[in-house]
Parts: sequence; C-alpha cells; structure tokens
Amino acid sequence: SQKIEQNSEALNIQEGKTATLTCNYTNYSPAYLQWYRQDPGRGPVFLLLIRENEKEKRKERLKVTFDTTLKQSLFHITASQPADSATYLCALLFYGNNRLAFGKGNQVVVIP
Amino acid sequence: NAGVTQTPKFQVLKTGQSMTLQCAQDMNHEYMSWYRQDPGMGLRLIHYSVGAGITDQGEVPNGYNVSRSTTEDFPLRLLSAAPSQTSVYFCASSRAAGLAGDEQYFGPGTRLTVT
Repeated sequence: SQKIEQNSEALNIQEGKTATLTCNYTNYSPAYLQWYRQDPGRGPVFLLLIRENEKEKRKERLKVTFDTTLKQSLFHITASQPADSATYLCALLFYGNNRLAFGKGNQVVVIP
Repeated sequence: NAGVTQTPKFQVLKTGQSMTLQCAQDMNHEYMSWYRQDPGMGLRLIHYSVGAGITDQGEVPNGYNVSRSTTEDFPLRLLSAAPSQTSVYFCASSRAAGLAGDEQYFGPGTRLTVT
C-alpha cells in the first residue's frame, strides 16, 4: 500500500532563513500533491497544489517542487517569520482514486 | 460565506452512546468528506461523498455512518461510541473530487472524548 512520509521531528529555524520540508511517498506517483498549513486547534488550510507534470510552483514566499524520480516533494518557506510557525501537511491523490491521502505533518517553529 | 461549519465543537460521550456530528457548507461544493486526526497518525479519511445521494467508505469507516441527502449537509453518525473513537473530527468540502485537484476547505473540527 502507499506510504506518505513527513519528518516527525519539528524543524526549528531562525527568522529570516529558509525552512525546507520533505514529503516522500512510495510506489506509484500521485496525480498531484497539495500542501496545507494547520495551526493548533484549527482545521488545515490549503496553500499550494503541484501536478505530476510540474517541477515547481511558487506563491509569495512559498515554493514547492515535485520530483517523480525521487518520489519526493520539497516545500520551502523563504524569509521565514514567527507567524509561519505551524504544522505543514502534504496530501496526495493517486490515479483511480477520489481519496486524498495525507501525511502526518511536520511542525515548523520559527525563532525570532 | 460561512464556509464549512461543524457542530458541536466539543463532546463527551459514554461508551455505547450514539451521536451525530453535524457538518454544513454554503459553497455549493459537490465533494464532502470526514477525517479523524489522532496524535502521530495524521488525518485519516472516514467517509466521503461526491454528491447528494452518493457516499463511499474511506480508510477507517468502521463504527461510523454517513448520508448525504442535500448538497449542503453531510452528518457523521457514531452508532455505538467506543474509547478508540476519541479523536478530533474534521469535515471538509471541495468543488469537485478526484483529478480536478480542488483545494479542500476544512471546518474547525469537533473534539470528541469517549469515556
């Protein structure tokens, strides 16, 4: 069965630096991959989508890459700010499926 | 637009009790789903619906029932609550399902404790 892996250890990063998170998957490539942000006690909020035929997507200070050879997506927050502190989830949809599968999330702590 | 609303915000049940978690959206979305989120487990799909009158099972459907009689509402029923169902429950909706890639809009969650 498919596995989606995100680092379980929190990423502590200095304000102004670039935070980089990884989402790895096994077996088949997904049709697309989404990234969400979740703050404590709240529901996830959509950030970005990248499709399997796309290498990179950007939105303001966020950048997502997708490498189907490595079976990996990288999520970057440039010039990180304390307000970026949250848990970030990757979600994948595989062909032939209506179900979005989520990773367990990776916490980011931006230190002022 | 209120987006996706969920009630109640918190609930405590005794083992064996039944209850319904309410979910409503006012965005005319076709696709709605229920997830549970447990520490260390991430979001797991319970049931989903691609339109009124159509529902299907997700990853962890046992012990839960759903129906979709209108586009707006997608209630989740716990038939006989068990301590293993202690979790945070999120309802989500999107314009379409599958390859469309539409973003999921999540509700604020219901924190359920079963004693």
